Amino acid sequence: DGGITQSPKYLFRKEGQNVTLSCEQNLNHDAMYWYRQDPGQGLRLIYYSQIVNDFQKGDIAEGYSVSREKKESFPLTVTSAQKNPTAFYLCASSMSTGATYEQYFGPGTRLTVT
Amino acid sequence: RKEVEQDPGPFNVPEGATVAFNCTYSNSASQSFFWYRQDCRKEPKLLMSVYSSGNEDGRFTAQLNRASQYISLLIRDSKLSDSATYLCVVNTAGGFKTIFGAGTRLFVKA
Repeated sequence: DGGITQSPKYLFRKEGQNVTLSCEQNLNHDAMYWYRQDPGQGLRLIYYSQIVNDFQKGDIAEGYSVSREKKESFPLTVTSAQKNPTAFYLCASSMSTGATYEQYFGPGTRLTVT
Repeated sequence: RKEVEQDPGPFNVPEGATVAFNCTYSNSASQSFFWYRQDCRKEPKLLMSVYSSGNEDGRFTAQLNRASQYISLLIRDSKLSDSATYLCVVNTAGGFKTIFGAGTRLFVKA
């Protein structure tokens, strides 16, 4: 059963701690993305990767880091430098980053930092 | 001006009603368009792509007007299960650029 998995579903951390969110896909997609969604707002792109060992900053990359060592995996680290980390984080993938390709989303991780 | 704008709603409609959402985009180089559905506290799910000639999937019809730079989604015979937030998504060619609208909330009531 192909799809995108994210773990954990809920994550709680103390301010000042780094935290890593997992994203795995078995769709054989080349492109992967991380978005952040805040209440009542649209999705904002954090980072994206078109291919293994390559990634680019999105609109709100400050305070975040990623890696793409395997095609299937694209973990996101929320660092202590991110000023407002509490949000709903969504990972997505698509066959390619070409404009015609739709994205498919994982179930998301809700991060709460206190 | 936002790159993709949607009426936030909420739209409150009775079961069986027809409801239409519009979405405008500012970049004339935009190439492909989609509607996603997002249930409360869940991930967005692809509802349908939007083609230049317009397309239909059951009770859902999507249309694109490139001249006026807007897309629309029409839902006929609304069901309770249609209650969700509908996101307009626009991809631009010439480098990766996907913009999500903030969404339109729909409540269908019995």
